[in-house]
Amino acid sequence: NAGVTQTPKFRILKIGQSMTLQCTQDMNHNYMYWYRQDPGMGLKLIYYSVGAGITDKGEVPNGYNVSRSTTEDFPLRLELAAPSQTSVYFCASSAGMTGARHYGYTFGSGTRLTVV
Amino acid sequence: GDSVTQMEGPVTLSEEAFLTINCTYTATGYPSLFWYVQYPGEGLQLLLKATKADDKGSNKGFEATYRKETTSFHLEKGSVQVSDSAVYFCALSRNTGNQFYFGTGTSLTVIP
Repeated sequence: NAGVTQTPKFRILKIGQSMTLQCTQDMNHNYMYWYRQDPGMGLKLIYYSVGAGITDKGEVPNGYNVSRSTTEDFPLRLELAAPSQTSVYFCASSAGMTGARHYGYTFGSGTRLTVV
Repeated sequence: GDSVTQMEGPVTLSEEAFLTINCTYTATGYPSLFWYVQYPGEGLQLLLKATKADDKGSNKGFEATYRKETTSFHLEKGSVQVSDSAVYFCALSRNTGNQFYFGTGTSLTVIP
């Protein structure tokens, strides 16, 4: 059972370059999320999806785009990389809630991105 | 809006010491509360959770009690080990939605 798989684990980009961070989950979760983690700042939500074909902005969406064509995949696109996007990116998925019972998130192992 | 505030680190303890990491929250309604742990180079893992007032979550010797009267969910462990060295995140999720709100994380280092 792989859980949430993120690729690549590390990447160095030059300013203005583009790239896609891949995220795949095999738990049939409807909910998927992208967070960035900056030192001492905790996690900030970039985008999330409540199901295939449905995405929405989180707290810090500028400079990013997402798509959700299947339940399994939720790629994050950086179009014009900037130094401010240097961060660790985490993808997460969730089965959501049943009544008042929340199942929590399953996180991927992260992508460490440096923009130079 | 909803938010989580947890004590700033880093925290350094000797092995077998008692651990407390404070967490307080602001939320409307009755959120679910969580502690996540992040070991070096890894993603976050769910450590424990509580979904209603006075519930106690526990796992691997860690405990936290959902205190609605003080809006707190402090993490405790009676005797820490070197292997507990990690960053600990407090988080909440409102029961009317699916978004999580994370604290800034508290780094714990346990020395032999």
